[in-house]
Amino acid sequence: GQQLNQSPQSMFIQEGEDVSMNCTSSSIFNTWLWYKQDPGEGPVLLIALYKAGELTSNGRLTAQFGITRKDSFLNISASIPSDVGIYFCAGQLSGNQFYFGTGTSLTVIP
Amino acid sequence: EAQVTQNPRYLITVTGKKLTVTCSQNMNHEYMSWYRQDPGLGLRQIYYSMNVEVTDKGDVPEGYKVSRKEKRNFPLILESPSPNQTSLYFCASSRGRSNYGYTFGSGTRLTVV
Repeated sequence: GQQLNQSPQSMFIQEGEDVSMNCTSSSIFNTWLWYKQDPGEGPVLLIALYKAGELTSNGRLTAQFGITRKDSFLNISASIPSDVGIYFCAGQLSGNQFYFGTGTSLTVIP
Repeated sequence: EAQVTQNPRYLITVTGKKLTVTCSQNMNHEYMSWYRQDPGLGLRQIYYSMNVEVTDKGDVPEGYKVSRKEKRNFPLILESPSPNQTSLYFCASSRGRSNYGYTFGSGTRLTVV
């Protein structure tokens, strides 16, 4: 399967700080998605990106579809305790085949 | 409420004892999929289905079977479970041939001893 490299693997930040994470691939994707997984739950879609260069926001979250179509970035501004969880990127090649990154575990220290 | 429902949430079983994890969605989605989540490996696709009676292998199909006799249901079958199938399993669905991504169930934590 496709390999999506997500970094960093984990982050420990103070409440109020901004967060940046990214996802890279050797393949060109048509769609990039970002999910958040709360403990004990399934991933929930945060942001979907459909065009190279696209920048999309969802509240304090902003994600970008890389120009090369091989990467994507997620930023969280002014983090709060409920931002804790695992963040996954997912890329779509064709049809409904989505490939997931290995996840970034975020801990927010109050 | 639109959702994907998996059962059971937790299951402990012994090697070789056949089991089925059920998955049902109430959104009339065409696409359904099963993933397993393991530490450090993220989510890996086991099988997916594009519609009733249409299924195909994902990245890690060995040791699993699926069926799609009805649009809403997509059970995952382990004919002879082994310890390396101990994992967290997620069922997911999405509408049509779209790029809207999947809606996930809450997961089934399976332990095979």
